[in-house]
Amino acid sequence: DMQMTQSPSSLSASVGDRVTITCRASHDIINSLSWYQQKPGKAPKVLVYAASRLESGVPSRFSGSGSGTVYTLTISSLQPEDFATYYCQQYYSAPLSFGQGTKLEIK
Amino acid sequence: QVQLQESGPGLVKASETLSLTCTVSGGSFRSHYWTWIRQPPGKTLEWIGYIYYTGITELNPSLESRVTMSVDTSKNQFSLKLSSVTAADTAVYYCARPLGYCSGGNCPFDYWGQGSLVTVSS
Repeated sequence: DMQMTQSPSSLSASVGDRVTITCRASHDIINSLSWYQQKPGKAPKVLVYAASRLESGVPSRFSGSGSGTVYTLTISSLQPEDFATYYCQQYYSAPLSFGQGTKLEIK
Repeated sequence: QVQLQESGPGLVKASETLSLTCTVSGGSFRSHYWTWIRQPPGKTLEWIGYIYYTGITELNPSLESRVTMSVDTSKNQFSLKLSSVTAADTAVYYCARPLGYCSGGNCPFDYWGQGSLVTVSS
């Protein structure tokens, strides 16, 4: 099975900061990587798919990059509504799998 | 507008069978691989598996021996049964639809149900 290692597990930042979250796959997943934002009590919301494609309606301050086994999600200028938990997901091979999550908190 | 809605008991006794149904409205039911994902409290998401309208399934090997999925195209519904539940199966269960650009079931997901918390009691 594909293992997804996400870091950091938590992150404190301020409004306006630039933050980066990293996800490492145990094998090459050939850009089959998506990022989700989840707020308490809500279903996840897809932000990025195919490693770098922004889902329709997602603000341009979110961006994804990477290749092979290492991928990143960057938020260029944090807004108050961005404080949430973020997950990566690989869909290169079944069973599909998610990272452990990064909780982004207000400093 | 595509909507997914989970339904089923919120409390199941240990060793019994968990049963959930997802009702889909909007969009084309026969075009997607309908998926179940769960999330134990405070933990990450776990992919359970998917079912196509023809009945084809792919299941997570870690749960495969206990999972049954079915589909009812006349009602635009698909269902999950998980047998012999334990406290470790306590979770919010989501049904989800893959992103439209993606063919097959190995996909990211753009439409999710609101989630159904199922608690396993001893």
